[in-house]
Amino acid sequence: QQQVKQSPQSLIVQKGGISIINCAYENTAFDYFPWYQQFPGKGPALLIAIRPDVSEKKEGRFTISFNKSAKQFSLHIMDSQPGDSATYFCAATSGGSQGNLIFGKGTKLSVKP
Amino acid sequence: EADIYQTPRYLVIGTGKKITLECSQTMGHDKMYWYQQDPGMELHLIHYSYGVNSTEKGDLSSESTVSRIRTEHFPLTLESARPSHTSQYLCASRDPGREKLFFGSGTQLSVL
Repeated sequence: QQQVKQSPQSLIVQKGGISIINCAYENTAFDYFPWYQQFPGKGPALLIAIRPDVSEKKEGRFTISFNKSAKQFSLHIMDSQPGDSATYFCAATSGGSQGNLIFGKGTKLSVKP
Repeated sequence: EADIYQTPRYLVIGTGKKITLECSQTMGHDKMYWYQQDPGMELHLIHYSYGVNSTEKGDLSSESTVSRIRTEHFPLTLESARPSHTSQYLCASRDPGREKLFFGSGTQLSVL
């Protein structure tokens, strides 16, 4: 049973465009939703995260939109750059620091110059 | 920023060999994790530890074993490697009281 469903599997965007990656979850107990960014040959690194008490969080060109009723959240990358080309994972957890993260399957983003 | 180190970076071995993948972190984090990453992309939790002498199996069944004798060290062992074990293995640690994970760069294992 996949608790966090991520789409699309791959995404190609032109430089300057908007990249959008979507995730849906099933467990209503989840209360922390991070996005991780992974470059080839590296481990994933935390990019941005949100809790369900807010509907949006923005950090620079990266924005998380959160829809609690639909149990969905998405990552928006504004003004996408070739350096943003990486694999992006959404994740979810509950139980604070005791819970284990459940990851989505990942989205490979390619930003074309 | 946490420093977490994995060795070796790449490992190619023959079937039946015993291997140990090393993972060390210098930040004193109690919680540590091993993830297996498929050639595609997906991350699966295979082992975790909440502190010294604490180890638990993760969501994905694995024939590997782990130990946690020291806070900073969380090695993973395969007693008899098989081609089905070919994958990338990622180690991570976690800030006390926070959900953020810090990952190492991984070990790419190929079993021939």
